[in-house]
Amino acid sequence: DTGVSQDPRHKITKRGQNVTFRCDPISEHNRLYWYRQTLGQGPEFLTYFQNEAQLEKSRLLSDRFSAERPKGSFSTLEIQRTEQGDSAMYLCASSKTGDNEQFFGPGTRLTVL
Amino acid sequence: AQKVTQAQTEISVVEKEDVTLDCVYETRDTTYYLFWYKQPPSGELVFLIRRNSFDEQNEISGRYSWNFQKSTSSFNFTITASQVVDSAVYFCALSQTGANNLFFGTGTRLTVIP
Repeated sequence: DTGVSQDPRHKITKRGQNVTFRCDPISEHNRLYWYRQTLGQGPEFLTYFQNEAQLEKSRLLSDRFSAERPKGSFSTLEIQRTEQGDSAMYLCASSKTGDNEQFFGPGTRLTVL
Repeated sequence: AQKVTQAQTEISVVEKEDVTLDCVYETRDTTYYLFWYKQPPSGELVFLIRRNSFDEQNEISGRYSWNFQKSTSSFNFTITASQVVDSAVYFCALSQTGANNLFFGTGTRLTVIP
């Protein structure tokens, strides 16, 4: 069991650029979640997948954000036309169906200059 | 509406002292789950415990113990004989039954001084 992995761990970009993050969940977990955590706050839910289907999206997920999980395994989170307010830690978590115990990855820290 | 309040922003204790981290929650649901996670400086959230709303038994795991009281909507976490490795941010979280996301408090930063 290698745990949830995320890539890259850090990303610095200029305002207006697009960025993409990857999450690899624990292999037998078919649920995958994305959260955003800003400094001094707890993680906030962004979106959730059951296998390849995106079943829930938070109002925090603006039109510039898109997430995919094409084969029900890894997932990508893309942010288009980044803004300084997008600077945050983006966390991925996974769980088994029927089990709400979520295991988190190390996160991707995004800095938008 | 649901809300998780961790009123203690930062706590400092000297090694070997006991410390209690408070968590108060609000939910209209009668069934729900409560969680505690630890976030060390490395940033990765580490699962500590899950409790469902039907189980008010207190739980002890080594130096960790949890006190769940529905009457006061609290789910407090105590570390006995704290150690420097306990230094981290601790988050309390709530999940409604059937919901797919965790709703987190703002966290308590614990510093254990050697």
